[in-house]
Amino acid sequence: DAGVIQSPRHEVTEMGQEVTLRCKPISGHNSLFWYRQTMMRGLELLIYFNNNVPIDDSGMPEDRFSAKMPNASFSTLKIQPSEPRDSAVYFCASSPLLNQPQHFGDGTRLSIL
Amino acid sequence: DAKTTQPPSMDCAEGRAANLPCNHSTISGNEYVYWYRQIHSQGPQYIIHGLKNNETNEMASLIITEDRKSSTLILPHATLRDTAVYYCIVRAVMKTSYDKVIFGPGTSLSVIP
Repeated sequence: DAGVIQSPRHEVTEMGQEVTLRCKPISGHNSLFWYRQTMMRGLELLIYFNNNVPIDDSGMPEDRFSAKMPNASFSTLKIQPSEPRDSAVYFCASSPLLNQPQHFGDGTRLSIL
Repeated sequence: DAKTTQPPSMDCAEGRAANLPCNHSTISGNEYVYWYRQIHSQGPQYIIHGLKNNETNEMASLIITEDRKSSTLILPHATLRDTAVYYCIVRAVMKTSYDKVIFGPGTSLSVIP
């Protein structure tokens, strides 16, 4: 079975550039989550969707961050403009229903120079 | 903030049982204990969860004390592939709202040949 698929796996770009991270949740899962992981702050929830609708974006660090879920099989996390402190591993996770265990992708390792 | 405390690291001999403790002394009546693990360079992986009864699945067993203030995750026969960071998480499961999954620093388990 295909798990959560994230792309790209690695991204290196210069500060000021727009970065778009992509996620395909597991088919049939109604909830989708975006996390960020750094050495300093650990794993943090950024935003989550239920039935394609954003429910809580209080974890999004700044207005430079935005996330969309145009349909049940695709979500994006966009950073514009990017800064070096945005360097982290970004994970997408999905679950069948909101309160059921989450399945994580393998993440996108983002480096902003 | 995480509602749990775990030892930062543990070692276990290959083939032996790995017993990972977790303290959650402020747990509420509607809060479950969840365990996830994260193998290097991968996303977190759900292991098991429970409310007050002991639970077992193909991956592990979860033992929750009678007062629910602590629990132990047991990997019955640890292999090298079980080397990972193990996260103990306490969260409520409610029908009409979502209690965020908050990851603390976890326990880094090293399985030694």
